[in-house]
Amino acid sequence: KAGVTQTPRYLIKTRGQQVTLSCSPISGHRSVSWYQQTPGQGLQFLFEYFSETQRNKGNFPGRFSGRQFSNSRSEMNVSTLELGDSALYLCASSERGATPLNEQFFGPGTRLTVL
Amino acid sequence: AQKITQTQPGMFVQEKEAVTLDCTYDTSDPSYGLFWYKQPSSGEMIFLIYQGSYDQQNATEGRYSLNFQKARKSANLVISASQLGDSAMYFCATLTGGFKTIFGAGTRLFVKA
Repeated sequence: KAGVTQTPRYLIKTRGQQVTLSCSPISGHRSVSWYQQTPGQGLQFLFEYFSETQRNKGNFPGRFSGRQFSNSRSEMNVSTLELGDSALYLCASSERGATPLNEQFFGPGTRLTVL
Repeated sequence: AQKITQTQPGMFVQEKEAVTLDCTYDTSDPSYGLFWYKQPSSGEMIFLIYQGSYDQQNATEGRYSLNFQKARKSANLVISASQLGDSAMYFCATLTGGFKTIFGAGTRLFVKA
């Protein structure tokens, strides 16, 4: 089974621009979660989607948004980029069927640098 | 609110010895999961082991075992027979019914030859 894939792997943007990151979960997984990892704040939860519905979100400004498509692929968008948005963005998928307590499998991440 | 505490920013262990990485958690949910992940310098998060709050026995996966003490709210990771390739960041995390995973700050493990 193919793992979680994320594109692009590396991205350089300038302040004020917007960016869209993509995540394809493991086949059959319907839950996709997004995380931001920075040296200062560690791993922080952004949001989680299941069957195209956002079920939870973290404490991030409205500039951070996401969506999930019917094939479970997910995108996250960051508008009006700030220097502090530079981070590794990780996507994880899991089955999350009848129980939420399933392990997540992570993709390799997208490293975003904002100049 | 859920919280994960990892009090060891860095740990050293001699190759072939066992090491315990500490993790305490705080959650009011009666049903939750506890996870450990490894993150090598490449950045990818690798799932290691999972423990459900209702599981009676401690989880084990090869050289990894989770020492789950529910009353103490601790979920320590034990790595037996450390290998040089175990050098990495290790994160403890909890997932509750709110579908939100909270990670600890991590412990950087250094395995010495």
